[in-house]
Amino acid sequence: EAQVTQNPRYLITVTGKKLTVTCSQNMNHEYMSWYRQDPGLGLRQIYYSMNVEVTDKGDVPEGYKVSRKEKRNFPLILESPSPNQTSLYFCASSSLDPREQYFGPGTRLTVT
Amino acid sequence: AQKITQTQPGMFVQEKEAVTLDCTYDTSDQSYGLFWYKQPSSGEMIFLIYQGSYDEQNATEGRYSLNFQKARKSANLVISASQLGDSAMYFCAMSPEGGSQGNLIFGKGTKLSVKP
Repeated sequence: EAQVTQNPRYLITVTGKKLTVTCSQNMNHEYMSWYRQDPGLGLRQIYYSMNVEVTDKGDVPEGYKVSRKEKRNFPLILESPSPNQTSLYFCASSSLDPREQYFGPGTRLTVT
Repeated sequence: AQKITQTQPGMFVQEKEAVTLDCTYDTSDQSYGLFWYKQPSSGEMIFLIYQGSYDEQNATEGRYSLNFQKARKSANLVISASQLGDSAMYFCAMSPEGGSQGNLIFGKGTKLSVKP
């Protein structure tokens, strides 16, 4: 079954404590992205990756890091989380066919 | 800069009627892709329909159709014969390069409520 998995699904943490949200896809897709969703703002892209070792900033990259060492994995790293990073995070992957865009189930992060 | 505008924060429709959700976009690219996603209250993002900028026919997927008017830069979603399960948030999105790069720009969404 084609899928994008994210872990954890829910996370409550404190300001400044480094965390990683993992994302993995099983479809051998070239492209992977991270988005955050906030009420009234829709989804905004944080980072995206066009292939292994190729990443680029999206619209809201501040406070986030990513890496793409393997094609299937695209972790999102918050080195020093702050309360304004409380949000719903989605990982997505896609192939060259634009209709093949898959989203993970989302990770709800709360930073206190 | 590329931008997606959804001007309807919320809409109501009677069950079994058709509804149109508005989306306008701004881009200077010649090749781009337009998408609609559904997000039910459970939170997952569900792909509904895709239109490429060079596609001459409007895209259709079952009860969903995309009314693509290139000169007006609009990509409205039409849902025919609304069902109670259509109640959800709907997002319009755009991607450069025909949509193949997975680099999506989203609108703020429209919350659709279907009344029985």
